[in-house]
Amino acid sequence: GENVEQHPSTLSVQEGDSAVIKCTYSDSASNYFPWYKQELGKGPQLIIDIRSNVGEKKDQRIAVTLNKTAKHFSLHITETQPEDSAVYFCAASAQRGYQKVTFGIGTKLQVIP
Amino acid sequence: DSGVTQTPKHLITATGQRVTLRCSPRSGDLSVYWYQQSLDQGLQFLIQYYNGEERAKGNILERFSAQQFPDLHSELNLSSLELGDSALYFCASSVGATSDQETQYFGPGTRLLVL
Repeated sequence: GENVEQHPSTLSVQEGDSAVIKCTYSDSASNYFPWYKQELGKGPQLIIDIRSNVGEKKDQRIAVTLNKTAKHFSLHITETQPEDSAVYFCAASAQRGYQKVTFGIGTKLQVIP
Repeated sequence: DSGVTQTPKHLITATGQRVTLRCSPRSGDLSVYWYQQSLDQGLQFLIQYYNGEERAKGNILERFSAQQFPDLHSELNLSSLELGDSALYFCASSVGATSDQETQYFGPGTRLLVL
């Protein structure tokens, strides 16, 4: 089955610096890669996603890159702000008769003011 | 706000008991997914329903069951509860089930504590 590895598990950055979270996946059939942000006491919220026919996608301060050959994808947050502090999950999705989504273990990001 | 609602928000019960968690998907979404989130396990997929029918099973215990009703809301039933069942339970919904690029939208979760 699919295995998604995510690192680092925790990340502390100074406000204004960039943060990078990396994920690798094992199933070559995976072709959809969403990223979720989970704030304390809330459910995961989709912040950005990328499909396999695209190498990079950007939305304001957030960007995601995908390298299908190497089976890894990354989340980049620039000009971090305290409100970016949360747990971030990567996920990989493949069609197996149903949509099988496998999540990474999560990265706890702390932005220090 | 994702548009997915879950009740109750918190649930405290005793070992051996049975509880029911409820989820209403976003308007127009036909698929409902249930996940369990515990500290050491991350987000674990339990089960998916599409338009009233079970579509996929993940790591769901035999003590757990779910269903999706004609109005598309879903219930997750947890029975013979054990201490280890204490976790956050999330419901997510998506438009369909056949696309391999369905975006899932998560509800706020139900925090279950088994004492």
